[in-house]
Amino acid sequence: DTGVSQDPRHKITKRGQNVTFRCDPISEHNRLYWYRQTLGQGPEFLTYFQNEAQLEKSRLLSDRFSAERPKGSFSTLEIQRTEQGDSAMYLCASSLQGSTEAFFGQGTRLTVV
Amino acid sequence: QKEVEQDPGPLSVPEGAIVSLNCTYSNSAFQYFMWYRQYSRKGPELLMYTYSSGNKEDGRFTAQVDKSSKYISLFIRDSQPSDSATYLCAMGYYGNNRLAFGKGNQVVVIP
Repeated sequence: DTGVSQDPRHKITKRGQNVTFRCDPISEHNRLYWYRQTLGQGPEFLTYFQNEAQLEKSRLLSDRFSAERPKGSFSTLEIQRTEQGDSAMYLCASSLQGSTEAFFGQGTRLTVV
Repeated sequence: QKEVEQDPGPLSVPEGAIVSLNCTYSNSAFQYFMWYRQYSRKGPELLMYTYSSGNKEDGRFTAQVDKSSKYISLFIRDSQPSDSATYLCAMGYYGNNRLAFGKGNQVVVIP
């Protein structure tokens, strides 16, 4: 499989719990993005990595959210003390440096109950 | 005003019809324009992208950009039931690493 891979595909968690999602980008892509998509809306940018460096974070990314890309390959997105408003599809995308084409994974659908 | 406006109203068309979708934008810095297709409960799939004003064709799909009017369109000719999906416009510019998306248009092609 040469596409962007996300795990898990679905996650149901109780309010207040921590969750972590993983994204494996297309292997030669050095740029990695996280977006959040709620029902009836387009994806909203959360954060961006070039290799292992996190270069941009949206104001949507509260202190409860943290993202890492320790070796410049896969990335994790952690949400601490989840709230019902965190329920959404979390999408990961990757691209080559210098390219405007971003390729998305299938997303992780989070439901906070 | 949002950077990208896309009327999210669902669109139902009979098979074989032309589907016409559009987005407007307010940020004149946008330099490249994309259309993504998203099937239910799946991630967005890049359909077409363009950098300049004018038309770009790819099979049954035509993307149109009018930078002077800040308006982009996607046309789908000879629509098929398999085209039933949500279509998202997205825009970006060099030096900025995020895409700004519209809300998406749900399209249903009726056999």
